[in-house]
Amino acid sequence: DTEVTQTPKHLVMGMTNKKSLKCEQHMGHRAMYWYKQKAKKPPELMFVYSYEKLSINESVPSRFSPECPNSSLLNLHLHALQPEDSALYLCASSQDKEGKQYFGPGTRLTVT
Amino acid sequence: KNEVEQSPQNLTAQEGEFITINCSYSVGISALHWLQQHPGGGIVSLFMLSSGKKKHGRLIATINIQEKHSSLHITASHPRDSAVYICAVVRGATNKLIFGTGTLLAVQP
Repeated sequence: DTEVTQTPKHLVMGMTNKKSLKCEQHMGHRAMYWYKQKAKKPPELMFVYSYEKLSINESVPSRFSPECPNSSLLNLHLHALQPEDSALYLCASSQDKEGKQYFGPGTRLTVT
Repeated sequence: KNEVEQSPQNLTAQEGEFITINCSYSVGISALHWLQQHPGGGIVSLFMLSSGKKKHGRLIATINIQEKHSSLHITASHPRDSAVYICAVVRGATNKLIFGTGTLLAVQP
């Protein structure tokens, strides 16, 4: 199983809503990543978890809150987002911090 | 100037043509990824390489560490190869990817 899954596929939320994005992998990978991708731009790294601990936070606003409850699961909690946060949110995982990254299909988020 | 530059930005080819996409980088790296993204879709990792050459089906990736340059070749191109191809480098000892701006490939039947 070389798959990273993400739910939901699409999400529309208002600026006062609280929602969560979920990412799951069962490859035994110990590093997991959140990226944000705007249209026609390359992905931008948001967070890196290594062995379930946050190792990189790329100065992401606190309205995005990551959580890694176990080695297979990575969440991104969203609260009080802005319309400019609308984007494709991609999750990835790798064996460790030096390994090949496998990407999920992404969650397309629209903030109204 | 971007740390990772790709060329060309856009490429249109006829089915069956041999395609080359280039990537140059200016930072020290531990590895380089070639990624494929179809419109509106997620990203597929094609290759990760740190030296030499790798081949998978009709795809070939090469890297020259001394020249800080990598190429992705597609032989016998097909319309289903139409996608954005992204070069991303792994900087130093971290696994932080630095992405190029991508090459939009359209293969016409």
